[in-house]
Amino acid sequence: EAQVTQNPRYLITVTGKKLTVTCSQNMNHEYMSWYRQDPGLGLRQIYYSMNVEVTDKGDVPEGYKVSRKEKRNFPLILESPSPNQTSLYFCASSFLPIRGEAFFGQGTRLTVV
Amino acid sequence: AQKVTQAQTEISVVEKEDVTLDCVYETRDTTYYLFWYKQPPSGELVFLIRRNSFDEQNEISGRYSWNFQKSTSSFNFTITASQVVDSAVYFCALSESTGANSKLTFGKGITLSVRP
Repeated sequence: EAQVTQNPRYLITVTGKKLTVTCSQNMNHEYMSWYRQDPGLGLRQIYYSMNVEVTDKGDVPEGYKVSRKEKRNFPLILESPSPNQTSLYFCASSFLPIRGEAFFGQGTRLTVV
Repeated sequence: AQKVTQAQTEISVVEKEDVTLDCVYETRDTTYYLFWYKQPPSGELVFLIRRNSFDEQNEISGRYSWNFQKSTSSFNFTITASQVVDSAVYFCALSESTGANSKLTFGKGITLSVRP
């Protein structure tokens, strides 16, 4: 079954404690990206990757890091989380360019206290 | 830069009413793709439809229909005879086919509540 898998689904952490949200896809997609969803703001892109070892900033990259060492995985790293990073996060993957459906993970609800 | 505007933020209807969700987009590309996604209360994003810029045919799928008009840069979504299960947040999104980052740009979403 084609899918994008994110873990964890829910996470509560404290300010400053490094965390990683994992994302894995099984469709051999070149393109992967991370979005955050906040009330009234819709989904905004954090980082994206066009292929292995090719990553770049999206619209709201501050406070986040990513890596793409393998085609299937695209983890999101918060080195020092802050309360303003409390949000719902989605990982997405697709072929390039995005002509067809982009597949989304189930979402990770992160709370930073 | 591409932009998607969903001017309606919240809509509330009674079951069996028809409802139209508006979407207006901006892009400089001649080739682009438009999408609608549904986000039910459980939180996942569910793909509903994709339309490319060269295909202005309207589409109907059961109770759902989409009206794409390039002249007004709009891609509106109508639910006929709404049901409680249609209650969700609906996002319109745009993807351009060129550029270094072929990203999806989302509107802010419309929260639809269907009351029994």
